[in-house]
Amino acid sequence: SQKIEQNSEALNIQEGKTATLTCNYTNYSPAYLQWYRQDPGRGPVFLLLIRENEKEKRKERLKVTFDTTLKQSLFHITASQPADSATYLCALDPYYGGSQGNLIFGKGTKLSVKP
Amino acid sequence: GAGVSQSPRYKVTKRGQDVALRCDPISGHVSLYWYRQALGQGPEFLTYFNYEAQQDKSGLPNDRFSAERPEGSISTLTIQRTEQRDSAMYRCASSLRPGGYNEQFFGPGTRLTVL
Repeated sequence: SQKIEQNSEALNIQEGKTATLTCNYTNYSPAYLQWYRQDPGRGPVFLLLIRENEKEKRKERLKVTFDTTLKQSLFHITASQPADSATYLCALDPYYGGSQGNLIFGKGTKLSVKP
Repeated sequence: GAGVSQSPRYKVTKRGQDVALRCDPISGHVSLYWYRQALGQGPEFLTYFNYEAQQDKSGLPNDRFSAERPEGSISTLTIQRTEQRDSAMYRCASSLRPGGYNEQFFGPGTRLTVL
């Protein structure tokens, strides 16, 4: 069956450390993979998109990698801060070429950054 | 500018009643998506529109669920003869263009409770 899994339901780290979140998928060949942040009681907010021909994408303290052989994306937050505490969701367009946009989401990883 | 808005924010109804959930996307956004999100889960795709045309309704759970976007802007998700299992957060999102390479902007959601 087709699945998208975020390995950790919760991740607790110390302020200043790098948080690494994992997203694995099976039986998809996505052209794009997206990461969103969701705070309690709010809708998801887009963070980064990475294309299948990109190995790595950066935005400020965020870095995303995309390994289509391993069928895995890693999401890194460097120099983490308590304000980074939230749930992070990965999502992909399951249709060939990413033509549709109806995203399949993982369950999310709840990140807690302790001061 | 204004983001995606949804109304009502909270809806409590009795089993068997019909409910209509409204989504007002960002002005000019071609694509509009409906998702349902259970606690501790990522959003689950229901249906989506490009302009006024419903492109994919494969995620609608059964024929009690329907959606429309008659003028290519505001959309309504209707649930007929509600059941307790329909209780969830219903989220709407819009994107400037269709396709998995476009970020989606999510609304605050409508929390539906069926008694």
